[in-house]
Amino acid sequence: EDKVVQSPLSLVVHEGDTVTLNCSYEVTNFRSLLWYKQEKKAPTFLFMLTSSGIEKKSGRLSSILDKKELFSILNITATQTGDSAVYLCAGVNAGGTSYGKLTFGQGTILTVHP
Amino acid sequence: DADVTQTPRNRITKTGKRIMLECSQTKGHDRMYWYRQDPGLGLRLIYYSFDVKDINKGEISDGYSVSRQAQAKFSLSLESAIPNQTALYFCATSESGRTTPEKLFFGSGTQLSVL
Repeated sequence: EDKVVQSPLSLVVHEGDTVTLNCSYEVTNFRSLLWYKQEKKAPTFLFMLTSSGIEKKSGRLSSILDKKELFSILNITATQTGDSAVYLCAGVNAGGTSYGKLTFGQGTILTVHP
Repeated sequence: DADVTQTPRNRITKTGKRIMLECSQTKGHDRMYWYRQDPGLGLRLIYYSFDVKDINKGEISDGYSVSRQAQAKFSLSLESAIPNQTALYFCATSESGRTTPEKLFFGSGTQLSVL
């Protein structure tokens, strides 16, 4: 059974701080790892990572994957109150009938205070 | 207009009632999914469909059924609702193919409460 674990489960910081969110995975036939941001209801896509050591960046957010140690991190620099959300990571199983099937972690609740 | 539309947005029902949640999409995607989200448990897959004639159980399909009426429509039914099915339900879509089939586009969710 595929498994994805995120840490910490919740985090409270002040504007301007830098945060690192962690995601470890055990996924058979691993294809990729995805990060989503969930503000009010619908999760929205942030990054998809398929190769180790290649950093993906979007503004103040960046993410990297380590396929040897089976984890990924999501960094947010100079946090803003608008970064407050639940951050979800998901591992993708690429094998057989499970092709493209995601297993999500529990999520990290990030709260950024002014 | 939303690309992935779920109805209703909120629903309160009683134990034993039959409930249907509906999802429609205008993204032209072949793949559609139903997830439920519970606090502290992330998103868990209920059913998924890779095309109109393809329906597959996810990790928590017991107590649920689905119907893929058309490429754009995928409905989830609770035949006899029970309180532990109280959750936030999401419909999602993705493109088929070998590039990014796992990049999901989510609807706004249906908050279901079973009393």
